[in-house]
Amino acid sequence: KAGVTQTPRYLIKTRGQQVTLSCSPISGHRSVSWYQQTPGQGLQFLFEYFSETQRNKGNFPGRFSGRQFSNSRSEMNVSTLELGDSALYLCASSLSPGEETQYFGPGTRLLVL
Amino acid sequence: GENVEQHPSTLSVQEGDSAVIKCTYSDSASNYFPWYKQELGKRPQLIIDIRSNVGEKKDQRIAVTLNKTAKHFSLHITETQPEDSAVYFCAASMAGGGADGLTFGKGTHLIIQP
Repeated sequence: KAGVTQTPRYLIKTRGQQVTLSCSPISGHRSVSWYQQTPGQGLQFLFEYFSETQRNKGNFPGRFSGRQFSNSRSEMNVSTLELGDSALYLCASSLSPGEETQYFGPGTRLLVL
Repeated sequence: GENVEQHPSTLSVQEGDSAVIKCTYSDSASNYFPWYKQELGKRPQLIIDIRSNVGEKKDQRIAVTLNKTAKHFSLHITETQPEDSAVYFCAASMAGGGADGLTFGKGTHLIIQP
């Protein structure tokens, strides 16, 4: 099976812009979670989607949002970008929310200038 | 919410020696504890996990132990090899989907000295 894929892999934006990142889960996986990874804060949970519904959300401002499509692919959006949003954004997929094992994609590295 | 502390932040061992990384968690409701290995520029890869109904799990050179009473769990790597050099993350969550997803420790940079 193909693994989790994310696009784009690298992105450079300027403050105030908005960005959309995409994640395709492993075939058959219906749950997608998003994480932000920075050197200072480590890996932090953003949100989780299952059956096109957001199940859980981490402690991030409303500028961070996401959605999931009927084919389980997911997108996350960050509006009004700030310098501190520079990070590696990772998505992870699992069979369902009750199946704990999560498999990570390669990530999208976002640089905000 | 859940809080996971991980120690040490950096660990340097001689090739062939053992390495131990320790984590503590705060939420007694957490019952799933995975360990991920992340090499530079790559995605986190699950290397082993344990559920709270088990005290120890082993997979070749890697083992994880869990003490539910003390709320801590540890990763043990024996006969370390150069390819074990990476950052290791512990995590905790509640099976069935806790509100915080996976809560990660800050990571341990493991360096294997030849």
